[in-house]
Amino acid sequence: NAGVTQTPKFQVLKTGQSMTLQCAQDMNHNSMYWYRQDPGMGLRLIYYSASEGTTDKGEVPNGYNVSRLNKREFSLRLESAAPSQTSVYFCASRGEIVGQKAFFGQGTRLTVV
Amino acid sequence: SQQGEEDPQALSIQEGENATMNCSYKTSINNLQWYRQNSGRGLVHLILIRSNEREKHSGRLRVTLDTSKKSSSLLITASRAADTASYFCATGNQAGTALIFGKGTTLSVSS
Repeated sequence: NAGVTQTPKFQVLKTGQSMTLQCAQDMNHNSMYWYRQDPGMGLRLIYYSASEGTTDKGEVPNGYNVSRLNKREFSLRLESAAPSQTSVYFCASRGEIVGQKAFFGQGTRLTVV
Repeated sequence: SQQGEEDPQALSIQEGENATMNCSYKTSINNLQWYRQNSGRGLVHLILIRSNEREKHSGRLRVTLDTSKKSSSLLITASRAADTASYFCATGNQAGTALIFGKGTTLSVSS
């Protein structure tokens, strides 16, 4: 049972380059999330998708776009990477029952130089 | 701004001691969850307490919730070196669709 799978695990980008972080879950969850984690800042919500076909901005959406491709997949795109986007990115998913626990991927460590 | 704020930011104790972490939040909630993160890994769910509950236990974990003070605490009893990790509280947004985390408490348990 894979749970939540993120790719890639590591990435180095040059300023201005673009890339897409992929996330897939096999638990038939409705809700999916993208977070970034920076030292001393905890996890901050970038975007989330409460169901297939919907996406909403979280706390720090600027500089990012997302696509809920289908129920399984939720991707995060950086159109023009900036050094301030150097971070560890986590994808998570959660079922439809209110309060159900979230499952996390192992993270993508992104460095923008 | 983040919904939950944990206190203290860092905590160092000896094995066998109890560890208490606190979480304060801003808006009314349906439930509050605690998660654990080992260094460099994804978060793992520990326990959920609903707004109509005051206390909940799971093994060596004890969680309390005071909705009048908008605060929760996580107690780990008889700590072990393996409990060394960061601990986060999480609450939902008002619509219940998003999951918002605090900044976390980093616990270090030395043997």
